[in-house]
Amino acid sequence: GIQVEQSPPDLILQEGANSTLRCNFSDSVNNLQWFHQNPWGQLINLFYIPSGTKQNGRLSATTVATERYSLLYISSSQTTDSGVYFCAVEGETSGSRLTFGEGTQLTVNP
Amino acid sequence: NAGVTQTPKFQVLKTGQSMTLQCAQDMNHEYMSWYRQDPGMGLRLIHYSVGAGITDQGEVPNGYNVSRSTTEDFPLRLLSAAPSQTSVYFCASSYSPWRPQHFGDGTRLSIL
Repeated sequence: GIQVEQSPPDLILQEGANSTLRCNFSDSVNNLQWFHQNPWGQLINLFYIPSGTKQNGRLSATTVATERYSLLYISSSQTTDSGVYFCAVEGETSGSRLTFGEGTQLTVNP
Repeated sequence: NAGVTQTPKFQVLKTGQSMTLQCAQDMNHEYMSWYRQDPGMGLRLIHYSVGAGITDQGEVPNGYNVSRSTTEDFPLRLLSAAPSQTSVYFCASSYSPWRPQHFGDGTRLSIL
């Protein structure tokens, strides 16, 4: 099946700093989504982005499907951005199945 | 709007017991899925459904059964619980796999 690798596994920032999270995938995809899991365990969909660039406030995401990677940008980070960020993909041959990466654990200190 | 509702939130079982984790959504979503999340890992797909009456296996289906008799409900059954099934279970729904997924708050399951 399709492989998903996220980097870095852990990231510690001071409030106000910017960061870039990366998601590499091993095959062509129909679907790519970014999620945030907050410290209470809730999973929130951030972006549906199989290609191109999207922005939502301080967060933006870019997927370069031909090169098989996606980037999540967080600008002016806040303590509430802390948590785990997951990338999930549906490969072209995956048949409606989403495969998650292992996530990036982000800690934003005040 | 309730969104995706999972019950119970916590459960402790003994090895060999059976139970059903409930998942209900009120958004008229066709696609529903179950994941398990183990410490330090991403989510792994157990089973999914593309509509009422249709289910299929995900990455880790062994030890779990599902059914989808209505659009709203997608229960997950553990027939004979094993300690390896200790995990946090998430249910998700969406209009299709390639639309944003909406997750429930999870069920924390411990099997002794």
